[in-house]
Amino acid sequence: DIQVTQSPSFLSASVGDRVTITCRASQGISTFLAWYQQKPGKAPKLLIYAASTLQSGVPSRFSGSGSGTDFTLTINSLQPEDFATYYCQQLYSYPLTFGPGTEVDIK
Amino acid sequence: LLEESGGGLIQPGGSLRLSCAASDFIVTSNYMTWVRQAPGKGLEWVSIIYSGGTTHYADSVKGRFTISSDNSKNTLYLQMNSLRVDDTAVYYCARVSHYGDSLRDFDIWGQGTMVTVSS
Repeated sequence: DIQVTQSPSFLSASVGDRVTITCRASQGISTFLAWYQQKPGKAPKLLIYAASTLQSGVPSRFSGSGSGTDFTLTINSLQPEDFATYYCQQLYSYPLTFGPGTEVDIK
Repeated sequence: LLEESGGGLIQPGGSLRLSCAASDFIVTSNYMTWVRQAPGKGLEWVSIIYSGGTTHYADSVKGRFTISSDNSKNTLYLQMNSLRVDDTAVYYCARVSHYGDSLRDFDIWGQGTMVTVSS
């Protein structure tokens, strides 16, 4: 099974900050990686697929990069509505696995 | 839009069937999946069904859960048998985007239905 880790697990930031979240897969997954945002009590929302492609309707301050085993999600100029938990997911092989999540909180 | 139903309180060892009704697209023409989230925990993939009927399961539910879909009702199902306390979670259904058999992402999610397994 492919293990997916994220760092940090918790991040405190201010509005306007640039935030970077890292995701690492235990083996190469090419670019079969997606990022999701989840707010309390709500379903996850797709942000980025294929490691770096922005989902339609998602603000351009979100960006993704990476391939193989190392990936990043960057949020430029953090907005109040961006405080949430972020998950990466590998879709390369079964079982499909999510990272443990990164909670972005207000400093 | 996806709307789940069927959750509730069930005793260990019991069975429950979750439903996920779709509007705006045809369930059986798409790849569909179930994901769960235990209280205060992260996301866990549960099962997937391809448009051709192929299915895959997480090891934690294999042999106990069955995913299926009904074209006439445009609905996805998850039959859950031999439920355990650690199956307690919010269960989400989602549509799966793919290129051929290569999966891309889960692009449309339902709002989730809570399943509580407790005596």
